[in-house]
Amino acid sequence: DAGITQSPRYKITETGRQVTLMCHQTWSHSYMFWYRQDLGHGLRLIYYSAAADITDKGEVPDGYVVSRSKTENFPLTLESATRSQTSVYFCASRQGQGYTFGSGTRLTVV
Amino acid sequence: AQRVTQPEKLLSVFKGAPVELKCNYSYSGSPELFWYVQYSRQRLQLLLRHISRESIKGFTADLNKGETSFHLKKPFAQEEDSAMYYCARAISQNEKLTFGTGTRLTIIP
Repeated sequence: DAGITQSPRYKITETGRQVTLMCHQTWSHSYMFWYRQDLGHGLRLIYYSAAADITDKGEVPDGYVVSRSKTENFPLTLESATRSQTSVYFCASRQGQGYTFGSGTRLTVV
Repeated sequence: AQRVTQPEKLLSVFKGAPVELKCNYSYSGSPELFWYVQYSRQRLQLLLRHISRESIKGFTADLNKGETSFHLKKPFAQEEDSAMYYCARAISQNEKLTFGTGTRLTIIP
């Protein structure tokens, strides 16, 4: 089921550049989330959103910005990428039962 | 802090042997608990929710509130069970899903 899509799948960027990772869902779910996945840390919540125009910080928000002008989109922006932000990023949504995850974006900051 | 603990980073089990992946959580109320599975370089897929009490792919998990545990079990491991497994907990008030650090399960043929 491709109800939640992330783009790009892979991205290489340079330190200091701004990068935006896209997340789109087709169900109009209220809640959306951004996680980063790192070895030894599992998945850590960066930001989440309860509805359009409502966002809140998660566990590791520093260096990231989110917006949610439309229910179906929840982009994540790295304002000035650092090497420590090299990771796999997963977007997820929830309404009712369970959480559904996107395929992930593998970001490398060089 | 609200935590989910998976004490084993790596677990190797022979095919046909029983599997148990441990998960403990800290929360005084009634959390929602999940197990997610991630096959190589794929998206996370929901395996089990404690509310549904289902058995998926032969896996079961029982919530033990006294021990604050939600261990994942399967009586006979299969090679296709090799994957990364994450235990996760949600608090209904804010819907945030908190993950453990994961256990990589390898089934030895």
